[in-house]
Amino acid sequence: GQQVMQIPQYQHVQEGEDFTTYCNSSTTLSNIQWYKQRPGGHPVFLIQLVKSGEVKKQKRLTFQFGEAKKNSSLHITATQTTDVGTYFCAGPGYSSASKIIFGSGTRLSIRP
Amino acid sequence: DSGVTQTPKHLITATGQRVTLRCSPRSGDLSVYWYQQSLDQGLQFLIQYYNGEERAKGNILERFSAQQFPDLHSELNLSSLELGDSALYFCASSKTGLSGANVLTFGAGSRLTVL
Repeated sequence: GQQVMQIPQYQHVQEGEDFTTYCNSSTTLSNIQWYKQRPGGHPVFLIQLVKSGEVKKQKRLTFQFGEAKKNSSLHITATQTTDVGTYFCAGPGYSSASKIIFGSGTRLSIRP
Repeated sequence: DSGVTQTPKHLITATGQRVTLRCSPRSGDLSVYWYQQSLDQGLQFLIQYYNGEERAKGNILERFSAQQFPDLHSELNLSSLELGDSALYFCASSKTGLSGANVLTFGAGSRLTVL
């Protein structure tokens, strides 16, 4: 079945260091979304990428969609304690495009 | 406040019991999605409704069922509960739900504990 994997599963960084999480799908995606879930909270939409090779930036966050539309990455420059949480990528289902499948997530923790 | 309302926030029950989780989507959203998140795990897609009709199904157990009512609120029914059903159940809504490009707005979740 369709799989959306993320690596690493966990990342612990010193505040100020950069962070990157990678998302890989077993199938080509028409689009990819990224969500952030703070500890004890619910997932919150960050961004959607649609075009092959697309790069979008939100302040210190840079999102990239692979050329083959099967992988994506999220890079955070100079992490801050407010960046703590789990980052999920998500994409449409292969068997049913209307369902949205989430990746396994990358949990980011930060040493002040 | 995301605009998606889930009740109850917390629920503790015993094995073999049945519970109903309720979700009111954000105003104007026609589609409702249900996800299960076990401790420190990812978000497992259960089921999606659009304007009252089932639209997509994930690995939802036969003991679980859901529906979306004419006023667009949705209920997830979990029966013959087992210890492994303990999890956080999220409801999310989107404007249409007809394609995979829908942005999801999540509720705060219902935490179910089965003892």
